[in-house]
Amino acid sequence: DIQMTQSPSFLSASVGDRVTINCKASQNINRYLNWYQQKLGEAPKLLIYNANSLQTGIPSRFSGSGSGTDFTLTISSLQPEDVATYFCLQHNSWPFTFGSGTKLEIK
Amino acid sequence: QVQLKETGPGLVQPTQTLSITCTVSGFSLTSYYMQWVRQTPGKGLEWMGFIRSGGSTEYNSEFKSRLSISRDTSKNQVFLKMNSLKTEDTGVYYCARDSSYIRFAYWGQGTLVTVSS
Repeated sequence: DIQMTQSPSFLSASVGDRVTINCKASQNINRYLNWYQQKLGEAPKLLIYNANSLQTGIPSRFSGSGSGTDFTLTISSLQPEDVATYFCLQHNSWPFTFGSGTKLEIK
Repeated sequence: QVQLKETGPGLVQPTQTLSITCTVSGFSLTSYYMQWVRQTPGKGLEWMGFIRSGGSTEYNSEFKSRLSISRDTSKNQVFLKMNSLKTEDTGVYYCARDSSYIRFAYWGQGTLVTVSS
């Protein structure tokens, strides 16, 4: 199975900060990686698909990059409504596997 | 508008069988893959399996021996059944839909399942 190592597990940043979250795959997953935002008690929301494609309706401050084994989610200017847990998902091969999540809070 | 809603029993006793229904609207089950994912305190998010638009299935080997995914296209419903439940199976169970080129594009709200006697 492909292991997804996500870091950091917790992140505290100020409004307006640039924030980056990383996922590292244990083997090559090409660009088959999605990023999700999950607010407390809600379903996951797709932000980025296939490593760098912004889902319709998602603010442009969210972006994704990477390929192969190393991927990054960037929030260019953190907003209060971005408080959530973020996680990655590899869908290159099954069993599809998830990162362990990054809990993002505002300082 | 794509909608997915999971309904489950809430509480299940250990060793019993879990049955969850995902009722969808806004699209046909014969056009898209449907996924099942769970989120447990012990293991976080886990992919459980999917049913293809044509009706065939794939399962995570972690669950394969006790998991079954099926559907009723006339009722727009997808079903998850898992037997031999343990307390570690406590968590939120989600169904999700792929789109034409995006895996796990849409998610239901999830249903909380507690395994306890």
